[in-house]
Amino acid sequence: DAKTTQPPSMDCAEGRAANLPCNHSTISGNEYVYWYRQIHSQGPQYIIHGLKNNETNEMASLIITEDRKSSTLILPHATLRDTAVYYCIVSEAGANSKLTFGKGITLSVRP
Amino acid sequence: KAGVTQTPRYLIKTRGQQVTLSCSPISGHRSVSWYQQTPGQGLQFLFEYFSETQRNKGNFPGRFSGRQFSNSRSEMNVSTLELGDSALYLCASSHQTGVSSPLHFGNGTRLTVT
Repeated sequence: DAKTTQPPSMDCAEGRAANLPCNHSTISGNEYVYWYRQIHSQGPQYIIHGLKNNETNEMASLIITEDRKSSTLILPHATLRDTAVYYCIVSEAGANSKLTFGKGITLSVRP
Repeated sequence: KAGVTQTPRYLIKTRGQQVTLSCSPISGHRSVSWYQQTPGQGLQFLFEYFSETQRNKGNFPGRFSGRQFSNSRSEMNVSTLELGDSALYLCASSHQTGVSSPLHFGNGTRLTVT
């Protein structure tokens, strides 16, 4: 079973920030938070991951709460091409290849 | 760098047949994992190979098997196909196993069993 809870869907306007929430209240100390997304008919694409500290890369920012029980993926300027299913996953470093995907959140970016 | 390449892209087979799917990882990546994606069950882990050895296995019957070659390329085989095996089969590679390095997925092989 997935150890994360995400709302089923959300939308945002093109050009605005998209803030995707994820709850992982049972996360353990050695588990990372990973975000992947899947655009229709393609394989999942890695976005970002983190352990405790907030992380930023060219695609997104990951904000992890101090108690690590929840996180938010931020797409700073959403475009239509960001419409996809976004998966939040927690996993030990030693099991980085054996990920348990939940249902994810469907983000729809509207013009 | 070229991404993860999976062949064929689409495949149609009949119940009872067997099928072999191929995956070429990103150059330098030694870990290859396989996942099955269906509308009902979502993405499910099948198995992982590292340096030609199976390191992890998911909860699938023995009809599903795989192997990895010395150049890190991998194949998975499904024998005695069932209708329920119709799915998108995804291969992913990563630089190492046992660390936090992310997975890089191919675009999958769409298998239809009739």
